Amino acid sequence: DAKTTQPPSMDCAEGRAANLPCNHSTISGNEYVYWYRQIHSQGPQYIIHGLKNNETNEMASLIITEDRKSSTLILPHATLRDTAVYYCIVSGNQGGKLIFGQGTELSVKP
Amino acid sequence: DAGITQSPRHKVTETGTPVTLRCHQTENHRYMYWYRQDPGHGLRLIHYSYGVKDTDKGEVSDGYSVSRSKTEDFLLTLESATSSQTSVYFCAISTSGNFGWNEQFFGPGTRLTVL
Repeated sequence: DAKTTQPPSMDCAEGRAANLPCNHSTISGNEYVYWYRQIHSQGPQYIIHGLKNNETNEMASLIITEDRKSSTLILPHATLRDTAVYYCIVSGNQGGKLIFGQGTELSVKP
Repeated sequence: DAGITQSPRHKVTETGTPVTLRCHQTENHRYMYWYRQDPGHGLRLIHYSYGVKDTDKGEVSDGYSVSRSKTEDFLLTLESATSSQTSVYFCAISTSGNFGWNEQFFGPGTRLTVL
């Protein structure tokens, strides 16, 4: 019952930018967009979040469209260690619950 | 990461036996969560806690109970384990809960096998 839609898989060449899209057309005004990733067998790792404005941190950039119905996570220089499943999640003030969908399996290839 | 530990890390048990998984945090965060992860389903929320003795159900709570008598510990109990509860269980904490953004940090996971 996830509120986001992501492609099931993507490939990216090492050293290139990885652009992971996410559609969240039913997002509400108080809901944030979060990105997490999960490397095989490990617990999910928080990457970044945003509400309206684009955000950047040491790991990635998050671009949110003006109507907030979609977003893109950008890994500027993908490495082999970025191979993981990436989850896009929208969540508001609901007891802090995060609903994980199927995510996008990103494969970074040499 | 974020001072979260889970115990045990691996457990094999038999159908019908009770099982308790422990999540321990060292950073005094208010919100804690239990998820399970199965192939083809991603992570699903079982229960969560927003304070000592304050808990609520997630999307797959049937067959599970939780308790939080101290800020640092959140226990997940399977009263009578079934094979369908074979899964990897992740605990998480949030630094802010339901006030604005909610950045969750996850523990290393517990792999439970019910025979």
